[in-house]
Amino acid sequence: DSGVTQTPKHLITATGQRVTLRCSPRSGDLSVYWYQQSLDQGLQFLIQYYNGEERAKGNILERFSAQQFPDLHSELNLSSLELGDSALYFCASSRRPSGTDTQYFGPGTRLTVL
Amino acid sequence: GQQVMQIPQYQHVQEGEDFTTYCNSSTTLSNIQWYKQRPGGHPVFLIQLVKSGEVKKQKRLTFQFGEAKKNSSLHITATQTTDVGTYFCAGPDNFNKFYFGSGTKLNVKP
Repeated sequence: DSGVTQTPKHLITATGQRVTLRCSPRSGDLSVYWYQQSLDQGLQFLIQYYNGEERAKGNILERFSAQQFPDLHSELNLSSLELGDSALYFCASSRRPSGTDTQYFGPGTRLTVL
Repeated sequence: GQQVMQIPQYQHVQEGEDFTTYCNSSTTLSNIQWYKQRPGGHPVFLIQLVKSGEVKKQKRLTFQFGEAKKNSSLHITATQTTDVGTYFCAGPDNFNKFYFGSGTKLNVKP
């Protein structure tokens, strides 16, 4: 158990819908990362937050947005969902924003778009 | 943009055989990290290499960071069935974007 929690574990929805994925970082970690992993693929970095502020942006679609709240939990919002958005979405946290910090991954949210 | 490639994509070995995965970045990395993802699981941090030419060992695992800090390798000696999983290398670019390699999926036959 990494200490990072993600909810929900599974999500099934239809095309065109909007969903929100939630992540709570490890106690004491200020940085949160979001990744997308399609079936049997690598991890695509989406976005990073540090202490409530956006720190780095990867290949995140305009239909996707994220935020980190004062209590440090983070939410990833996916809208106008398409079939291709079906994937595992991982959240990771680290103590500092630096790229040298170990990232601790949550169990992931499996999103299925029908 | 930056790319991090790994080879091979898949590797099937007999238990007891050695295994190596190679990681190549299109640009210099400030550091490289290795993660392991078991089937159905999430990535778990294994190790971080920072210095050019650095070599680190963890029991049967040996990690190397290239002199130019653009490539790395992970070598497992005498694989065991518990080594099954996908191994990813990863590192940040100068803008804090984190890049994961494409991964090498290791299968170990008992």
